[in-house]
Amino acid sequence: EAQVTQNPRYLITVTGKKLTVTCSQNMNHEYMSWYRQDPGLGLRQIYYSMNVEVTDKGDVPEGYKVSRKEKRNFPLILESPSPNQTSLYFCASRQLADNTGELFFGEGSRLTVL
Amino acid sequence: AQSVTQPDIHITVSEGASLELRCNYSYGATPYLFWYVQSPGQGLQLLLKYFSGDTLVQGIKGFEAEFKRSQSSFNLRKPSVHWSDAAEYFCAVALPLMFSGGYNKLIFGAGTRLAVHP
Repeated sequence: EAQVTQNPRYLITVTGKKLTVTCSQNMNHEYMSWYRQDPGLGLRQIYYSMNVEVTDKGDVPEGYKVSRKEKRNFPLILESPSPNQTSLYFCASRQLADNTGELFFGEGSRLTVL
Repeated sequence: AQSVTQPDIHITVSEGASLELRCNYSYGATPYLFWYVQSPGQGLQLLLKYFSGDTLVQGIKGFEAEFKRSQSSFNLRKPSVHWSDAAEYFCAVALPLMFSGGYNKLIFGAGTRLAVHP
């Protein structure tokens, strides 16, 4: 089954404790991206990657890092989480060759930073 | 700056009634347009998209949307709502990249939460 898989789905952590949210897709998509969803703001892009070793900032990159060492994986790293990073995070991917193709989303990772 | 506006935060309709969810965007040219649905605890699922051609597009689950260039709108409609349509709906635009024609991000509206009364 074609899917985008995120882990963990739920996480409660404390300020300053580094964490990584993993994202993996099995559709051989070149493009991957991270979004955060906050009430009243919709989804906002954090980072995106057009291919292996190619990443770029989205609209709200502060406090986040990403890496793209393999095509299927695109982890989101919070080096020193703060309470304002409490949010619902979505990973998404799409096939780059399809210019108007849809983004496929994971089921989300709900992060709470105390 | 580019933006997407969904004027209705919450909408409640009766089962079997018609539905229209509004979406307006601010962008100089015609972007790619999408509607996504998010059921509780789930990710986002694409309902339909518009990128060119016929301005009335059909999607899954009986939804359709109409692109109106003069109004910068892309409203979502369904003639008869089912209880299972209760969810949050997001309008999104993608700005075509100049040389490739693809896109590297979606800009989302704030969402409209739909409740359906039996």
